[in-house]
Amino acid sequence: AQTVTQSQPEMSVQEAETVTLSCTYDTSESDYYLFWYKQPPSRQMILVIRQEAYKQQNATENRFSVNFQKAAKSFSLKISDSQLGDAAMYFCALNDYKLSFGAGTTVTVRA
Amino acid sequence: EPEVTQTPSHQVTQMGQEVILRCVPISNHLYFYWYRQILGQKVEFLVSFYNNEISEKSEIFDDQFSVERPDGSNFTLKIRSTKLEDSAMYFCASSYPDLGQYFGPGTRLTVT
Repeated sequence: AQTVTQSQPEMSVQEAETVTLSCTYDTSESDYYLFWYKQPPSRQMILVIRQEAYKQQNATENRFSVNFQKAAKSFSLKISDSQLGDAAMYFCALNDYKLSFGAGTTVTVRA
Repeated sequence: EPEVTQTPSHQVTQMGQEVILRCVPISNHLYFYWYRQILGQKVEFLVSFYNNEISEKSEIFDDQFSVERPDGSNFTLKIRSTKLEDSAMYFCASSYPDLGQYFGPGTRLTVT
C-alpha cells in the first residue's frame, strides 16, 4: 500500500523569505511520480510541480523546487521569495494508478 | 489553457435522493478520475476510468456509486441514494499518461 506523510500541519513564512515543506512516502514500486498540489481557500486543486522517480535531477518551476531523495523516500517542496498568493494548503501526492495524498500543510505568508 | 470543468459548483440534495455530478475533462486526456474531500480532511481517491471502463476503485466506491462517459466529452459520477456522510467536495481529474492529474474546480455536495 502507498502512504504519504506530511508531518507539518502548519508553516508560516515572511513575505520574500523561503519555506520548505516536508513529505515522506512509502511505495513498493520502483517507477512512480510525485507531485505537489496547492489548494487555496477556493478549494481548487492546482498542480504545482511534478517529479519522476527515475530522474535524479530535482524538478524546478519558477519559485518552486523540490528536493527528491529516492533512497530516503523524501520529497520536500521549497518555496522561494514567498508571496502573499502562496498562502494555501499544500498536498504532497504519490502516483501509481491513483493519487495518494498526504494530510496537507497549511502555509501562511506574513506581510 | 485547457482545463477541467465541473457542474454544478454546488449541489444540495435530500438524503436518499440521487445526484449526478458532471465533468468535462481536458480533451486529449485518456484517464479520468473522481476524488472527494470531506471538509478538513485529505483528498481521497474514488475511482479511475480508462478506455471506457473502470480501471481502479477504492473501498469508498461501493454499489451506490457509478461512473459513465456517455459521450466523447462528459464524465459523470452518480450517487444513487445519498447519505449524510456523502457531503463533501467532489473533484474530477484527468490526465495524459504520466504528466500529472489536472483537477476541476470541484462540486460541493451538501446532503440534508
